[in-house]
Amino acid sequence: EADIYQTPRYLVIGTGKKITLECSQTMGHDKMYWYQQDPGMELHLIHYSYGVNSTEKGDLSSESTVSRIRTEHFPLTLESARPSHTSQYLCASSGGQAFGNTIYFGEGSWLTVV
Amino acid sequence: AQSVTQLGSHVSVSEGALVLLRCNYSSSVPPYLFWYVQYPNQGLQLLLKYTSAATLVKGINGFEAEFKKSETSFHLTKPSAHMSDAAEYFCAVSETGFGNEKLTFGTGTRLTIIP
Repeated sequence: EADIYQTPRYLVIGTGKKITLECSQTMGHDKMYWYQQDPGMELHLIHYSYGVNSTEKGDLSSESTVSRIRTEHFPLTLESARPSHTSQYLCASSGGQAFGNTIYFGEGSWLTVV
Repeated sequence: AQSVTQLGSHVSVSEGALVLLRCNYSSSVPPYLFWYVQYPNQGLQLLLKYTSAATLVKGINGFEAEFKKSETSFHLTKPSAHMSDAAEYFCAVSETGFGNEKLTFGTGTRLTIIP
């Protein structure tokens, strides 16, 4: 069982608001990821981090930003939310090749921008 | 570059029947392959993974998958479907080496179980 937590699980917010989706893991994993998934669709990598102070953009362009100040924490921020940001955001972490490259997922944060 | 193709966005099987979900991959290096399951309004749960050991991999909930290099396939099977198996299933590939553990996902297959 993976110990990775996301808050909030569900959020409805107005256009133009700033939001931060929190993600924490207690496994000491160096690698963390954010995936975006529209309902019924595939997952797309939007951000990843291979360690503290390391962040990279993923395969899908996103207006969100991330930070990695602590190993266990990888928050995602939208400075000004828009309806096009409505989606599910999934946080994940991995211990790397020593752990078989397995990526563990949190339960997701459903964001609705109205 | 790596990619995954899942054949059939929707699969329906009767309760007790064989489940077969198809996955083909493309990778320039020996891949790691994964199957994840997603229940409604939840995150992804790892079902099983292939990491270059045994080609037949057994996972949770009675699922298994066989890595076939010659066919570049990693199909997921279960001998007898249960109602609780109804969910979305994602195949994913990760390229080994270079510290690259980014997963590339297929488009998913929604499994429906008919009573």
